Amino acid sequence: EPEVTQTPSHQVTQMGQEVILRCVPISNHLYFYWYRQILGQKVEFLVSFYNNEISEKSEIFDDQFSVERPDGSNFTLKIRSTKLEDSAMYFCASSRTSGRRSEQFFGPGTRLTVL
Amino acid sequence: DAKTTQPNSMESNEEEPVHLPCNHSTISGTDYIHWYRQLPSQGPEYVIHGLTSNVNNRMASLAIAEDRKSSTLILHRATLRDAAVYYCILALNRDDKIIFGKGTRLHILP
Repeated sequence: EPEVTQTPSHQVTQMGQEVILRCVPISNHLYFYWYRQILGQKVEFLVSFYNNEISEKSEIFDDQFSVERPDGSNFTLKIRSTKLEDSAMYFCASSRTSGRRSEQFFGPGTRLTVL
Repeated sequence: DAKTTQPNSMESNEEEPVHLPCNHSTISGTDYIHWYRQLPSQGPEYVIHGLTSNVNNRMASLAIAEDRKSSTLILHRATLRDAAVYYCILALNRDDKIIFGKGTRLHILP
């Protein structure tokens, strides 16, 4: 069964450093998403991406965040200058059609720890 | 964001059916009702979704009220592996994203 994969599973970084979280969505999917979950809190939407551009973003997704689909298979989330409050699980998801009409498949997540 | 209301937690016995309720009185005509779950230390997992009619799949059934202001997720025979947080979500007509609430934490008793 196809699945969304994410690397690394755990990333530790120093405050102020740049991090790139990587995701490989399911191959025939067209819609891509990033969510995050701070420990003990609910899952929060960050950004959706379709047709090589951002379709929606939340207030959390400020200028420090960017997304890219560099090679047609990977989907990345970059945080330019990490802050302590960026520590969270980051989940990538993909769907074949618009998320409201079809299921989103989630990856296992990357745990980001900012020291 | 469109709001759903779910109980904070529920308990059920293993091998018995579980009915997880959700109220969404502000739903509009083209909003989809989605259910996801999150097992401990894992990413969210799709369970089922529907618009107006009841839906069945291999994981669960979704019963949608005639006025669409509430729905019930039915697990026909709960196992220990079904212990998770279950999220009832309205996927809005204008959005691609889904917005997670706090969900219902389901405990399964052996």
